[in-house]
Amino acid sequence: KAGVTQTPRYLIKTRGQQVTLSCSPISGHRSVSWYQQTPGQGLQFLFEYFSETQRNKGNFPGRFSGRQFSNSRSEMNVSTLELGDSALYLCASSLDLAGLGGELFFGEGSRLTVL
Amino acid sequence: QKEVEQNSGPLSVPEGAIASLNCTYSDRGSQSFFWYRQYSGKSPELIMFIYSNGDKEDGRFTAQLNKASQYVSLLIRDSQPSDSATYLCAVIEWTGNQFYFGTGTSLTVIP
Repeated sequence: KAGVTQTPRYLIKTRGQQVTLSCSPISGHRSVSWYQQTPGQGLQFLFEYFSETQRNKGNFPGRFSGRQFSNSRSEMNVSTLELGDSALYLCASSLDLAGLGGELFFGEGSRLTVL
Repeated sequence: QKEVEQNSGPLSVPEGAIASLNCTYSDRGSQSFFWYRQYSGKSPELIMFIYSNGDKEDGRFTAQLNKASQYVSLLIRDSQPSDSATYLCAVIEWTGNQFYFGTGTSLTVIP
């Protein structure tokens, strides 16, 4: 059974640019959650998508957005990149809504560096 | 205000010893508690979850929950060098909307 796949794994951008990250969840999983991981802040929740709808959103500015397609694949977009956006972006899939307490399966992450 | 707090460590224990990892949370209505392990450069993976007060054992791992004290811990018995990783505590608060993760405790098991 294939795991959660995130692309690209590494990318370097400059301030002001925008970036799109992709996540393919485990087959049959309907929920995709996105997290930002930094050494100081740990894992910070960005948003969760379920059945193509954003169900929950963390405390991030509107520059961070996402969407989910009918096949449950998800993308997140960060516009007008800032140096502080440098982080590991993790995608996690689950069978049902994450808040129901099921296991989160994480991808390997996309490491974004903003110069 | 942080929802979930953990000592960042590093915590070092000798091989064969018991490693004790601690986590406190602020939302008294939290219902579900999880421990994830993250090896360096890898993604987090679930070790255990616990919903009820008391202890839950799974092999060398024991999760302990005390809702009155808003405290959850993970004990690793007979620690092995392969247990060296960062351990993340996660909590689902009462609204059931999302996971809140602690910043993690780095554990090193010394052979």
